[in-house]
Amino acid sequence: GDSVTQMEGPVTLSEEAFLTINCTYTATGYPSLFWYVQYPGEGLQLLLKATKADDKGSNKGFEATYRKETTSFHLEKGSVQVSDSAVYFCALSGGSGNTGKLIFGQGTTLQVKP
Amino acid sequence: DAGVTQSPTHLIKTRGQQVTLRCSPKSGHDTVSWYQQALGQGPQFIFQYYEEEERQRGNFPDRFSGHQFPNYSSELNVNALLLGDSALYLCASSWGAGQETQYFGPGTRLLVL
Repeated sequence: GDSVTQMEGPVTLSEEAFLTINCTYTATGYPSLFWYVQYPGEGLQLLLKATKADDKGSNKGFEATYRKETTSFHLEKGSVQVSDSAVYFCALSGGSGNTGKLIFGQGTTLQVKP
Repeated sequence: DAGVTQSPTHLIKTRGQQVTLRCSPKSGHDTVSWYQQALGQGPQFIFQYYEEEERQRGNFPDRFSGHQFPNYSSELNVNALLLGDSALYLCASSWGAGQETQYFGPGTRLLVL
């Protein structure tokens, strides 16, 4: 079945460092890909999305490109801030028999130190 | 524009009891999905409601049931609670039952003692 794998955390960075969180997926068909962020004690917020191959999603300085050839959707940010500390989830929907259901990775915790 | 709302925010129950969680979708959305998020894990899909019917279901036992009302709001019911049902329960809404983006509420944290 469809699945999402994220790099294990926690990821600890200093403020203004470059961030990459790896995400790879397994799915047939043409899934949409998402990054959600969860701040402590809160629900999930949509960070960005991409709906077809080679699309780049971007928001608040974060970017991710839908790479069908490598089945990846890595999250990047050029300069992180302390306020970016949170748990980041990669997710897909719309793979085989999966319309409308989000399948999540296990999450990656990001800690940014001043 | 109100986002997705859920109630209650926190709940404590004992084993064997039953619980009902509620969700109101974002304005303009007609589809509600429910997810269970155990501590330190990614959310797991429970089921999705569209046009007042359960359209998809994840790998959860029949103790988990739901309902969608004509105003698109939804309830999640869990019977015969187990300790393992302790989790954050997230509701997400979207337009249509396809691949449209889902927007999440703040969640209900359930503790089963």
